[in-house]
Amino acid sequence: DVVLTQTPPTLSATIGQSVSISCRSSQSLLHSNGNTYLHWLLQRPGQSPQLLIYLVSRLESGVPNRFSGSGSGTDFTLKISGVEAEDLGVYYCVQGTHAPYTFGAGTKLELK
Amino acid sequence: QVQLKESGPVLVQASETLSLTCTVSGFSLTNYGVIWVRQPPGKGLEWMGIIWRNGNTDYNSALKSRLSINRDTSKSQVFLKMNSLQTDDTAIYYCTRDMGYWGQGVMVTVSS
Repeated sequence: DVVLTQTPPTLSATIGQSVSISCRSSQSLLHSNGNTYLHWLLQRPGQSPQLLIYLVSRLESGVPNRFSGSGSGTDFTLKISGVEAEDLGVYYCVQGTHAPYTFGAGTKLELK
Repeated sequence: QVQLKESGPVLVQASETLSLTCTVSGFSLTNYGVIWVRQPPGKGLEWMGIIWRNGNTDYNSALKSRLSINRDTSKSQVFLKMNSLQTDDTAIYYCTRDMGYWGQGVMVTVSS
């Protein structure tokens, strides 16, 4: 199974600070159809996860454009350009290229 | 609008079988797959399995021997069954479409 390694496990930020989260895969997530099925989710406390970014860099409808995704192959990054209070929670990367799909262990974003 | 809702028992005895239902609306199960995800208390997300739009299934390697996912397209329902439950199967169980739409989750406690 594909292993996704997220770093850092915890991130402390001030409001307005820009932060990045890394997700590294144990194998390439480039599908034979040309798509890369790497997505980012945010789970706020007590809530179901929410899709932020899909297919590496595509912003889900309604998600603020301070969120951006980049990467290819095995290395991916989620960037938040100017953290806001509502961004606090746990961020997960998830891959859908190779069945069974797998999640990263999560990165908890806290206020400093 | 797209909605998913999980239902099932909140308390199950160890060694017994868990049966959950995900009732969907706003889309057809013949056009979209549905994924089951679980989250033990205080821990990360675990991908359990998927039933594809054609009815085929894929399962988490670690759960494959105990897990089955089926559906009734006429009732817009997806079913999860997992046998030989242990206390570490205690978790919130979610169903999701594409990771973009999630149910509220159902908390299942396995009692010894």
